[in-house]
Amino acid sequence: QVQLVQSGAEVKEPGASVKVSCKASEYPFSSFAIHWVRQAPGQRLEWMGWINAGNGNTKYSQKFQGRIAITRDTSADTAYLDLTSLNSEDTAVYYCARSPFDLRWLDPWGHGTLVTVSS
Amino acid sequence: SYELTQPPSVSVSPGQTASITCSGDKLGEKYGCWYQQKPGQSPVLVIYQDNKRPSGIPERFSGSNSGNTATLTISGTQAVDEADYYCQAWDRSTGVFGGGTRLTVL
Repeated sequence: QVQLVQSGAEVKEPGASVKVSCKASEYPFSSFAIHWVRQAPGQRLEWMGWINAGNGNTKYSQKFQGRIAITRDTSADTAYLDLTSLNSEDTAVYYCARSPFDLRWLDPWGHGTLVTVSS
Repeated sequence: SYELTQPPSVSVSPGQTASITCSGDKLGEKYGCWYQQKPGQSPVLVIYQDNKRPSGIPERFSGSNSGNTATLTISGTQAVDEADYYCQAWDRSTGVFGGGTRLTVL
């Protein structure tokens, strides 16, 4: 079935950058979008941005503008989230999720990647 | 920026109907989704385009959206439905989530 497999947990120091991957399988990768959503401990889901896996166009939440980049490698059916200038408030589980280009739904979601920012 | 507001918690007895609301300015003019999240698990889509159920989601889950309020209704609530529920909508291709509602089945 359709699956999104994410990279493993990361521990980063404040000021560092992190790159999380999301490998898709069992569907035509370039025919859908990939979104990134994060969830800090005990907090709500927070949408970060998305990429059209076909043409590479992106849109980001204003909150992360300037320190986020979402990219994709169509040869590897994989999307990536880069987040720079990390601080303790970036400690969260980061999820990727698939959507059609018209944004009707997010399904399925990856299993999540815990990023811990600590000195 | 666009905001969606949900009640923090809703309680329901087994077999009864649970209703979870989501409020936002002119929300009825946007398509809404609902996601279920159980502790330690990834969110799961339960309603999309206001009232459509993905395959595999039980018929007891239904949705509506009009005016400023979207509602997720769970009929004949079961213990397995105990979870956090998040509404979500799009504002100019930007995703927005509600604060989440903890559904407790007493």
